[in-house]
Amino acid sequence: GEDVEQSLFLSVREGDSSVINCTYTDSSSTYLYWYKQEPGAGLQLLTYIFSNMDMKQDQRLTVLLNKKDKHLSLRIADTQTGDSAIYFCAERGGGSSNTGKLIFGQGTTLQVKP
Amino acid sequence: EAQVTQNPRYLITVTGKKLTVTCSQNMNHEYMSWYRQDPGLGLRQIYYSMNVEVTDKGDVPEGYKVSRKEKRNFPLILESPSPNQTSLYFCASSPLGGGHTEAFFGQGTRLTVV
Repeated sequence: GEDVEQSLFLSVREGDSSVINCTYTDSSSTYLYWYKQEPGAGLQLLTYIFSNMDMKQDQRLTVLLNKKDKHLSLRIADTQTGDSAIYFCAERGGGSSNTGKLIFGQGTTLQVKP
Repeated sequence: EAQVTQNPRYLITVTGKKLTVTCSQNMNHEYMSWYRQDPGLGLRQIYYSMNVEVTDKGDVPEGYKVSRKEKRNFPLILESPSPNQTSLYFCASSPLGGGHTEAFFGQGTRLTVV
C-alpha cells in the first residue's frame, strides 16, 4: 500500500540550513507536497513538486526529488525561529487520477534554537 | 476569504455521548475529507466525499459517520465516542481535476473523550 515515512524530530541553530527528509512507496505519485503546521493551527501548504521535476526552489525553500529512490527532501536556508513547526510530507494518492486524497508522513518537528 | 471552518475548536465529552463536528467551505470544492492527527502517526484519512451525496471510507473509518447533503458542508458524527477517539481532527477541501490542486485545511478540532 501507499506509505510515507519521515523522521520525527530535527533541531538546528538559527541561521543554519535545515533538511527534512521523506520517503514514499507509491511510484505512481504525481504530486508531492510539504505542509507546515504551527502550534494550534491547521496545515498550510508550503510547496509542492510534480513528479517529473528533480528540484524546485521558492525563496528559502528548496525541494529535491529523487524519483528512483522515492526520496523527497525540503531544505530551508537561513532557518529562523519562526520556522519552528511540524513539517509534513504528503503524496497525492491515486496515482495520475486526482482522487483528492493525501497520504501524510508522521511529521517532523523542527526545533530552531536561537 | 477562502477558508474551511470547523466547529468547535475544542471539545471534551464523555464516552457514549453522541457528538457532531461541523465543517464548512466557501470555495465550491467538490472534494472534502476528514483526517485525524495522532502523535507519531501523522494524519490519517477517516472519510471523504467526492461530491454531494457521495461519501466513502478512508483508512480509519470505524466509529465515525459523515454526510454530504450540501456541497459546502461535511459534518463528522461520532455516534458513541470512545476514549480511543481522543485526537486532533482536521477537515479539508479541494477541487477535483487534473494537475495540481491545493487542499485547504480547517483550524482543527481537539476532541477529548473521557
